[in-house]
Amino acid sequence: NAGVTQTPKFQVLKTGQSMTLQCAQDMNHEYMSWYRQDPGMGLRLIHYSVGAGITDQGEVPNGYNVSRSTTEDFPLRLLSAAPSQTSVYFCASSTSTGGVIGGYTFGSGTRLTVV
Amino acid sequence: AQSVTQLDSQVPVFEEAPVELRCNYSSSVSVYLFWYVQYPNQGLQLLLKYLSGSTLVKGINGFEAEFNKSQTSFHLRKPSVHISDTAEYFCAVRRVGYQKVTFGTGTKLQVIP
Repeated sequence: NAGVTQTPKFQVLKTGQSMTLQCAQDMNHEYMSWYRQDPGMGLRLIHYSVGAGITDQGEVPNGYNVSRSTTEDFPLRLLSAAPSQTSVYFCASSTSTGGVIGGYTFGSGTRLTVV
Repeated sequence: AQSVTQLDSQVPVFEEAPVELRCNYSSSVSVYLFWYVQYPNQGLQLLLKYLSGSTLVKGINGFEAEFNKSQTSFHLRKPSVHISDTAEYFCAVRRVGYQKVTFGTGTKLQVIP
């Protein structure tokens, strides 16, 4: 089924460890983004990309890196995990191809706990 | 920059009663507006979107929203809610010509049997 696939679904890290959250979409969407969701704070944008090779920072980029080598993949790297990064992470994609303004398609999320 | 305010963090409503979830936005330029729904332990799904034209927008599951430019609002309504509508609802805004989307803090709709 077409959509956004996130892996893993759950992860527990120790403080200081690094890891990569994977995100892949098969809809040929040019725009991809990473959000974190925390209780009472809605979704906050971490990083986004408007196409392969192009990335930019969102509201809360510190402690995270991204790259976009292909249209399909947009991994999020935690450099040195901290308890403040305990959250649910969502990857989302969208397109404006042909002038159609689409909403986001979201992945099912990665629940990360840093101890 | 744009911002979104959802004043109600929780809205309890009895089954088959009408509901309105409020959303106000701030932007100095034209915007697109969206409502998303999130069921427990799932990602967000698009309910409806306003791009231009008619200010009354109809979405999935019987929801509709009305864009009011003068009041900078985009309230979500449903005339009769069902237990299955229990979820968290997010309003979102995107400036025309830009890709970034800003989300509100969400409103939890609790439908009481």
